[in-house]
Amino acid sequence: AQTVTQSQPEMSVQEAETVTLSCTYDTSESDYYLFWYKQPPSRQMILVIRQEAYKQQNATENRFSVNFQKAAKSFSLKISDSQLGDAAMYFCALTTTSGTYKYIFGTGTRLKVLA
Amino acid sequence: EAGVVQSPRYKIIEKKQPVAFWCNPISGHNTLYWYRQNLGQGPELLIRYENEEAVDDSQLPKDRFSAERLKGVDSTLKIQPAELGDSAVYLCASSIRPSSYEQYFGPGTRLTVT
Repeated sequence: AQTVTQSQPEMSVQEAETVTLSCTYDTSESDYYLFWYKQPPSRQMILVIRQEAYKQQNATENRFSVNFQKAAKSFSLKISDSQLGDAAMYFCALTTTSGTYKYIFGTGTRLKVLA
Repeated sequence: EAGVVQSPRYKIIEKKQPVAFWCNPISGHNTLYWYRQNLGQGPELLIRYENEEAVDDSQLPKDRFSAERLKGVDSTLKIQPAELGDSAVYLCASSIRPSSYEQYFGPGTRLTVT
């Protein structure tokens, strides 16, 4: 069975600073995808970044980057130059490529951005 | 491009009443997902459709929940009768195909059962 664990229920960061959100996962599959989704108070989930397990290079999207440690089964999200609009719930998610296409989500981390 | 549309956004009902949620996926997206998100939790898959076929409904409580996607486009999720524990946000998502892995979510329907 696949699991995703986010051990930080809430994080705070000063505007313009950098914050890292943690995620660990477990799967017996060798090929899978990992995602970070953002869910602002309006509730619409938005894809922030994704990482293919077979790629060694860490994914980056503008101010968002990941630190993917496959052996440790760790997948953290770094937000640089934090902005007020980054305040949201962040969910880490895993899906395998074996055919079930089922997303497993973590419990989320609430990010507060302080002005 | 229009996103995933869901209605209603909010619904308050008394227990034992029926309720239905509607979802219209992004045009051209063959795969449609219904999730339930309890307070303080991540979404949990209820059912996945490939076109009009339900290919994964293993987490759908079939005694009271039903879903349909008759023409392979929009979908309806129904609960009858609703219970207090059904209070949650019901999210719809779509993707071009399951192997695209990237899902696009709607704004959700917040259900409160009193």
